[in-house]
Amino acid sequence: KAGVTQTPRYLIKTRGQQVTLSCSPISGHRSVSWYQQTPGQGLQFLFEYFSETQRNKGNFPGRFSGRQFSNSRSEMNVSTLELGDSALYLCASNDQGSTGELFFGEGSRLTVL
Amino acid sequence: EDKVVQSPLSLVVHEGDTVTLNCSYEVTNFRSLLWYKQEKKAPTFLFMLTSSGIEKKSGRLSSILDKKELFSILNITATQTGDSAVYLCAGGIQGAQKLVFGQGTRLTINP
Repeated sequence: KAGVTQTPRYLIKTRGQQVTLSCSPISGHRSVSWYQQTPGQGLQFLFEYFSETQRNKGNFPGRFSGRQFSNSRSEMNVSTLELGDSALYLCASNDQGSTGELFFGEGSRLTVL
Repeated sequence: EDKVVQSPLSLVVHEGDTVTLNCSYEVTNFRSLLWYKQEKKAPTFLFMLTSSGIEKKSGRLSSILDKKELFSILNITATQTGDSAVYLCAGGIQGAQKLVFGQGTRLTINP
């Protein structure tokens, strides 16, 4: 069974641009969540989707948004990029809704110049 | 505010040593305590603990949860260089996939 797949793996943007990251969960998993990882703040929760509905959102500005499609694939978007948005963005999926461990993808490393 | 604190933040030991990593948590609507290992890629799942006092083991790794003291430890015996990684502790919340992560412990095993 394929793991969680994230694309692109690496990308470089400039301030003010926007970016869209994609996540394909493990087949059969309906829950997808997103995390931002930086050296200073560690892993921080962005949002969680289950059956196309956002169930929870972390403490991030409205520039960070996401969605989930009917096939459980998810995208997150960051608009008006700032230098501080440079981070590893990790997606995780889960097959039990709100129970069980999360399975992480390898992440999309975003650099904002 | 939910908080997970790990200690030490960094640890360097020799191959064959035994290490203990600590994790304390303050998580509203706590459901579970999870441990992950992260090398230069995706965090990989190690343990999920929901009941106090019941040790979980996987090879040389073991972990236990104390829900009264809001504390968990991860033990690694007979360490190997392949155990070098960042070990992440996270609190899981009832009714959500949201995990609250600690800062991680960077473990380095020298041959």
